[in-house]
Amino acid sequence: GAVVSQHPSRVICKSGTSVKIECRSLDFQATTMFWYRQFPKQSLMLMATSNEGSKATYEQGVEKDKFLINHASLTLSTLTVTSAHPEDSSFYICSASPPGGETQYFGPGTRLLVL
Amino acid sequence: GNSVTQMEGPVTLSEEAFLTINCTYTATGYPSLFWYVQYPGEGLQLLLKATKADDKGSNKGFEATYRKETTSFHLEKGSVQVSDSAVYFCALSDTGRRALTFGSGTRLQVQP
Repeated sequence: GAVVSQHPSRVICKSGTSVKIECRSLDFQATTMFWYRQFPKQSLMLMATSNEGSKATYEQGVEKDKFLINHASLTLSTLTVTSAHPEDSSFYICSASPPGGETQYFGPGTRLLVL
Repeated sequence: GNSVTQMEGPVTLSEEAFLTINCTYTATGYPSLFWYVQYPGEGLQLLLKATKADDKGSNKGFEATYRKETTSFHLEKGSVQVSDSAVYFCALSDTGRRALTFGSGTRLQVQP
């Protein structure tokens, strides 16, 4: 089946620094990728839709200047958490689906801890 | 807006017991419904799906039927195994929008 990877799997950083998370589709091209956020014992919440070659579409309440998304190629989307603060600590998960497909394939997630 | 509600866990069962995890939804239009499973240390994997009313999705002994009249998509398995221990997420995608709306997840623990 289709494989989506994320890097890093875990990151600890100091408050005020920026953190970049990569999401790659390994064996298919994805014009659209999705970024979700999951707090402990809570549901995955959609943050934004990443569109290859164009601006990302953010969900209501998600700060686009804080969570920068770049989808520079058909296999790579990046999420940069700028000036991270402790409240940004969470589990970030990306997903992608092949062109014309409905099934989404998920990455293993990145756990961010901001001290 | 769309929402998905599933039973809280953890659900603890003995091996070979019958499993039901309830899921109900609220959506505009005609959503597709999914169950995803997350095994320890792994990403979410699609378990099964149904795209229209009365469809039954099935995989690995798990089943769920799309019930429009009760807006439900309950997950069932007749005989669980220890290897089924995982977190199960019910989700929907609305017409024309591929992003998913998830339930809160239900942790299943199967004891030998």
